[in-house]
Formats: sequence, structure tokens, C-alpha cells
Amino acid sequence: AQTVTQSQPEMSVQEAETVTLSCTYDTSESNYYLFWYKQPPSRQMILVIRQEAYKQQNATENRFSVNFQKAAKSFSLKISDSQLGDTAMYFCASWGSGGSNYKLTFGKGTLLTVNP
Amino acid sequence: ETGVTQTPRHLVMGMTNKKSLKCEQHLGHNAMYWYKQSAKKPLELMFVYNFKEQTENNSVPSRFSPECPNSSHLFLHLHTLQPEDSALYLCASSQSGGGDTQYFGPGTRLTVL
Repeated sequence: AQTVTQSQPEMSVQEAETVTLSCTYDTSESNYYLFWYKQPPSRQMILVIRQEAYKQQNATENRFSVNFQKAAKSFSLKISDSQLGDTAMYFCASWGSGGSNYKLTFGKGTLLTVNP
Repeated sequence: ETGVTQTPRHLVMGMTNKKSLKCEQHLGHNAMYWYKQSAKKPLELMFVYNFKEQTENNSVPSRFSPECPNSSHLFLHLHTLQPEDSALYLCASSQSGGGDTQYFGPGTRLTVL
């Protein structure tokens, strides 16, 4: 079975600064996918970034980048130049075998607050 | 309408009521999902449909009954619910049932009295 662990329930950062959210996962799969999703307060969950495990290059999306350490099973998210609109719950997720079927497994989330 | 839509957005029901949640995706995807989101817990996958066929039932109680009449629509029929079923119910879709990105709807906030 897969597990995803986000060790930081809450974090805060000043506007324009950089923050890193941690995520570790456990899987026995050789091929899997990793995701960061963002859920702003009372709004829809949206994809921030997607990483294919067989690709060594870290995925980036504008101000968002990941540090993918496959051997350590670590997948952290770095947000540069934080903006007030980045305030949200951030979920790390892993897609792979959850036993008998493949599925997306989520961590408990990190609540990020960007302060002015 | 674009993306994934869900109705109603809020629902309050008694334990003896029967209600249904509706999800519609406008993305041309072939896989659809129901998740339960409770406070302080990870999202829990409930059901998966791929090309209208149910491919996953994650040990969900029978008081939750899914229906997928076509690739664009997904329903969750509710009956005889318990207060602990109160949660945000999220629908999602993806191109296939593989590791493609899942796109989420805004959710239905369900309160069971």
C-alpha cells in the first residue's frame, strides 16, 4: 500500500519570500506519479505540479518547483516570491498501486498562510 | 460550464432521507471519481469509474450508491446516512484511469443531522 506523509500541518511565510513544503511517500512501484494540489479556502482543488517518477529532472511551473529525491522518497514543493493568493491547503499525492488497484493517495495537507 | 461541476453545493439531510449528488465533467475525460474529504484526514477515494465501468469500490458502506450513466455524468445516491458521513464530497475526472492529472469539482458540503 502507498502512504504519503506531510509533516507540517501549518506553515506561514511573508509575501515575496520563499517557502518549502515537505512531503515523503512510500511505494513499492517502479513507475509512479507525484502531484501537488492546492485548495484555496472554500474554493476548488487545482493542480500545482505533476512529476513523473521515471524523469530525473525536477518539474517546475512558474514560481512553483519541486525537489524530487527518488532514493529518499521525498517530494518537496518550493514556492518562490510568495503571493497572498498562494494562501491555501496544499496536498501532496502519489499515484500508484494501492493494493489491488492503482489510485491516487493523498497526504493530510499543509495549510500555508501568506502574510502581507 | 467548464471543467467539473457539482450540484448541489450544500446539502443538509436527516438520517432517514434519500438524496443524490450530481457531478458533470465537460473535459471529454473517460474516468470519474468520488472522494470524501473530512477535517484533519486525507482525502479518501470512494469510487472509480473508467469508461462507465466501476473499477474501484474502496470498502464504502452500501448507504452510498454510485451511478455512472455515461462518461460525462456521475451520481452518488445517499440513503440512511449517519452523522459521521458529514463531509465535503468531491468529484474528479481524468483522461484515463492511469496517472493522468485529476481535475476536481468544487464539492458538495453534506451535513447529516
